[in-house]
Amino acid sequence: DAKTTQPTSMDCAEGRAANLPCNHSTISGNEYVYWYRQIHSQGPQYIIHGLKNNETNEMASLIITEDRKSSTLILPHATLRDTAVYYCIVRVGGGGSNYKLTFGKGTLLTVNP
Amino acid sequence: NAGVTQTPKFQVLKTGQSMTLQCAQDMNHEYMSWYRQDPGMGLRLIHYSVGAGITDQGEVPNGYNVSRSTTEDFPLRLLSAAPSQTSVYFCASSYLGSGTQYFGPGTRLTVL
Repeated sequence: DAKTTQPTSMDCAEGRAANLPCNHSTISGNEYVYWYRQIHSQGPQYIIHGLKNNETNEMASLIITEDRKSSTLILPHATLRDTAVYYCIVRVGGGGSNYKLTFGKGTLLTVNP
Repeated sequence: NAGVTQTPKFQVLKTGQSMTLQCAQDMNHEYMSWYRQDPGMGLRLIHYSVGAGITDQGEVPNGYNVSRSTTEDFPLRLLSAAPSQTSVYFCASSYLGSGTQYFGPGTRLTVL
């Protein structure tokens, strides 16, 4: 699986959009971009994923560049409860016997009042 | 749906003791896995299973055993606990082929 690079930490004001970048310059054509988050002391939580098109769900939006070498997770109206470590993960989709997720250190997003 | 459940929530062991961390899911997921998370670190995969009777090693399997006799349960056994195994352990499950994994609340293990 391709490696990812994320900033160690970011701050965001409550109510503003939080834009979390991720670099995955060695991504392969069959690899998806996944985002998870981990609120303090809890298990990781799935947020969103995509292959090459932009995606949106009730939690967030995912913008993937046309060359797929980077992506941005957008939380449109950040709240204090969004303070967490956000992980960008690249993995092969579809079949096969290995479905592991490789977690890096992620980005600590702190939402300030 | 209870999702992924883990027991116990907290455990303190002495060096050399053995114990089993329990993990169960009620979503009929084929894939289950165990991760450990050390302070300030990301999650590291210990063992995983793609179905009953099938298990394989992750990146840090030493000191841990697993078995998968049913779809629902995936226990993690520490045969002889060591202080280096002090960590938070997370169990996760998903459908085969899906990168959307559901995580349990974790077990916080301290080995003295």
